[in-house]
Amino acid sequence: QKEVEQDPGPLSVPEGAIVSLNCTYSNSAFQYFMWYRQYSRKGPELLMYTYSSGNKEDGRFTAQVDKSSKYISLFIRDSQPSDSATYLCAMSAMTDALNFGKGTSLLVTP
Amino acid sequence: EPEVTQTPSHQVTQMGQEVILRCVPISNHLYFYWYRQILGQKVEFLVSFYNNEISEKSEIFDDQFSVERPDGSNFTLKIRSTKLEDSAMYFCASSAQVQETQYFGPGTRLLVL
Repeated sequence: QKEVEQDPGPLSVPEGAIVSLNCTYSNSAFQYFMWYRQYSRKGPELLMYTYSSGNKEDGRFTAQVDKSSKYISLFIRDSQPSDSATYLCAMSAMTDALNFGKGTSLLVTP
Repeated sequence: EPEVTQTPSHQVTQMGQEVILRCVPISNHLYFYWYRQILGQKVEFLVSFYNNEISEKSEIFDDQFSVERPDGSNFTLKIRSTKLEDSAMYFCASSAQVQETQYFGPGTRLLVL
């Protein structure tokens, strides 16, 4: 079983829609959860960083972590064409290494 | 806003040749990392570096790889004898402290022929 699973998409939504992205994981030791955005041929850019379970909101973005279900989500409200990118979930235990999902490709159409 | 920079942006090399990928981490950061992303696959951890020594490494980081902080600003990844399967995007990252946010550079695209 892969440590971090993420549906690669592609996911296509109209501008203004609410987008829901998610990842599941198998390692119960993971405590730090992140969402990165990656544009084509660029480096990952951090969007959200969450420790343990709960919700975190930043502008149009909300991250949720449910450790009991080993499930994390990222919601994007009022999606814009500029949100079109690949979204990577990443997580770590008490180690240096980030464990990434494969990424979900999102296209927001005008 | 401070950012991680990497050079070169692209590198083409012949199989068996040595390559050195360079990174300038964010200036007040103490922890440095290399990751790679093979085309179409997930970003994979290679190595972390702190206080002038390797802190952690993955199975991918074998004897062909080495890292160095040759001066106060640069952080390098050396691949001694490149293989075709080393073709990937290599990302450098840095963080102020362990378990804090890792900030990624734009990457170096390495192509081994």
